[in-house]
Amino acid sequence: AQTVTQSQPEMSVQEAETVTLSCTYDTSESDYYLFWYKQPPSRQMILVIRQEAYKQQNATENRFSVNFQKAAKSFSLKISDSQLGDAAMYFCASFAGGTSYGKLTFGQGTILTVHP
Amino acid sequence: NAGVTQTPKFQVLKTGQSMTLQCAQDMNHNSMYWYRQDPGMGLRLIYYSASEGTTDKGEVPNGYNVSRLNKREFSLRLESAAPSQTSVYFCASSLKGRTEAFFGQGTRLTVV
Repeated sequence: AQTVTQSQPEMSVQEAETVTLSCTYDTSESDYYLFWYKQPPSRQMILVIRQEAYKQQNATENRFSVNFQKAAKSFSLKISDSQLGDAAMYFCASFAGGTSYGKLTFGQGTILTVHP
Repeated sequence: NAGVTQTPKFQVLKTGQSMTLQCAQDMNHNSMYWYRQDPGMGLRLIYYSASEGTTDKGEVPNGYNVSRLNKREFSLRLESAAPSQTSVYFCASSLKGRTEAFFGQGTRLTVV
């Protein structure tokens, strides 16, 4: 089975501050990949960041970085210097290789509000 | 460059009616997906096709069928619509599942 859990339905942050969104996952596969996607009100899905499970180094993309704790099956997203344009729904997702190859599973989402 | 195209964008059905949601991608992607998005439930996988000629059930396949018509097209069929199938449906594709998934604009379906 492959599950992704986001325990924070909503989060808020002040502009220019830092916020961390939580995600835990469960998979029986040794080969898997993790993602964070952003969904603004337009409903468009935008890839924020991607992590290969076999890499120990945490992925970073400009103001976005992850804290990947493989043993704890935790994959949190840190947004630094938050901007008004960061306000959106954020989804954590996992892709399974191995016997479940091809399955891309999403979490419940976290609504991020950015206050000016 | 169209990406992933879903049709229709909006649809209202009566309980018991059938319909097919169409999805096509022009990026030569191998994997395609159908999701439904409901408030508080996130994106739930209905069916996926890891490659042309294969389809597999996701988390919530009951009441749906799919067809991977060719590499470009992946359709979702509701044989007898129920109010519980009221949702926003997304089609997505990726070159390989480990790479970025591209999404269509979604179909808002209401079953009355």
